[in-house]
Amino acid sequence: DQQVKQNSPSLSVQEGRISILNCDYTNSMFDYFLWYKKYPAEGPTFLISISSIKDKNEDGRFTVFLNKSAKHLSLHIVPSQPGDSAVYFCARRGGGSNYKLTFGKGTLLTVNP
Amino acid sequence: NAGVTQTPKFRILKIGQSMTLQCAQDMNHNYMYWYRQDPGMGLKLIYYSVGAGITDKGEVPNGYNVSRSTTEDFPLRLELAAPSQTSVYFCASSFLGDVQYFGPGTRLTVT
Repeated sequence: DQQVKQNSPSLSVQEGRISILNCDYTNSMFDYFLWYKKYPAEGPTFLISISSIKDKNEDGRFTVFLNKSAKHLSLHIVPSQPGDSAVYFCARRGGGSNYKLTFGKGTLLTVNP
Repeated sequence: NAGVTQTPKFRILKIGQSMTLQCAQDMNHNYMYWYRQDPGMGLKLIYYSVGAGITDKGEVPNGYNVSRSTTEDFPLRLELAAPSQTSVYFCASSFLGDVQYFGPGTRLTVT
């Protein structure tokens, strides 16, 4: 059973500071991880991804780190902006040809001005 | 491109009624997916399709049916609505099965 766990339901940070969102996963041989952002009353939008052959992927203010020995990944947002306030979902794409995603429960990030 | 579109945005059903949630994409994506999101939970896969004429069950398929007669459309059918199907439904598509692009969702209430 492929599980993805986001243990923090919410996170509050000040504008300009770093936001760190965490995600844990169960054992697997090869995976591809994605982070999605979701605003209220909208569908999730893709943010950044990382393959399990990498340790880090960066895109502007967003960086995802993958610690395979700890089975843990994190999303860093620096600097945080009020517009980043949203629910962030960690997702895992398993193997096979159907490319199904397994989502965590999400973390609500609030960035205070 | 409109991307992934879903209709209706909102719907209230009585127990036992049926309805079809519509999903269309104009990106020529082969892969399409239906998810539901319950409050405080992540998205759970209901059904998916890897191409026209090919569909398969996801994690929570009971109470739902799908068809995929064209590349563009992937409707989700609820035959006998139950209160447990009250949820927000998202349709998604992807080209090579990597990044999935989501529609805006349909909020369904069954009373």
